[in-house]
Amino acid sequence: NAGVTQTPKFQVLKTGQSMTLQCAQDMNHNSMYWYRQDPGMGLRLIYYSASEGTTDKGEVPNGYNVSRLNKREFSLRLESAAPSQTSVYFCASSPTGVGTEAFFGQGTRLTVV
Amino acid sequence: KQEVTQIPAALSVPEGENLVLNCSFTDSAIYNLQWFRQDPGKGLTSLLLIQSSQREQTSGRLNASLDKSSGRSTLYIAASQPGDSATYLCAVHPITGGGNKLTFGTGTQLKVEL
Repeated sequence: NAGVTQTPKFQVLKTGQSMTLQCAQDMNHNSMYWYRQDPGMGLRLIYYSASEGTTDKGEVPNGYNVSRLNKREFSLRLESAAPSQTSVYFCASSPTGVGTEAFFGQGTRLTVV
Repeated sequence: KQEVTQIPAALSVPEGENLVLNCSFTDSAIYNLQWFRQDPGKGLTSLLLIQSSQREQTSGRLNASLDKSSGRSTLYIAASQPGDSATYLCAVHPITGGGNKLTFGTGTQLKVEL
């Protein structure tokens, strides 16, 4: 049972570099999400996709872009990384419907130097 | 704006003790509340999901309660074990704002000592 799989698990970037975080789920969920976790801040929503073909901004979208490639995959792109984007990034998915249970990946620990 | 608070931020207890973790939220307009466990360097594991119409949910040694009108939830862990050491997060699904987005608390870091 793979669930939600994120790659890579760790990444170090230099300021100004770009990269894409990959996320795939095998639970046939319609909704997918990207969160970031920072010490003392809790998890904050960056972007979400309620269904294939749709994406919407969350609480902290600046500096990020997303692509819902298909029902399984939802990627997060940093076009020009900044030290403020040093964080742990989590992808999550949930079935259709409001208030359904969310399932999370193992996270990507990103450091921007 | 919905805010979720978890107190205390850290808790240390001896093995075998029963304990309660607290979660409070400012807006009672929620679909449900979800408790997660996070081990160091790992992802979030869903423990319990309580619908807004429910008062409690149980799974093994865990029991979560919800009082929506007062904006409070508790996670009760019976007969704690060292393997329960982790950070526990609560999150609510707000009705306002659309989508299926979660608003998280900052967590309680639990250490169960031998």
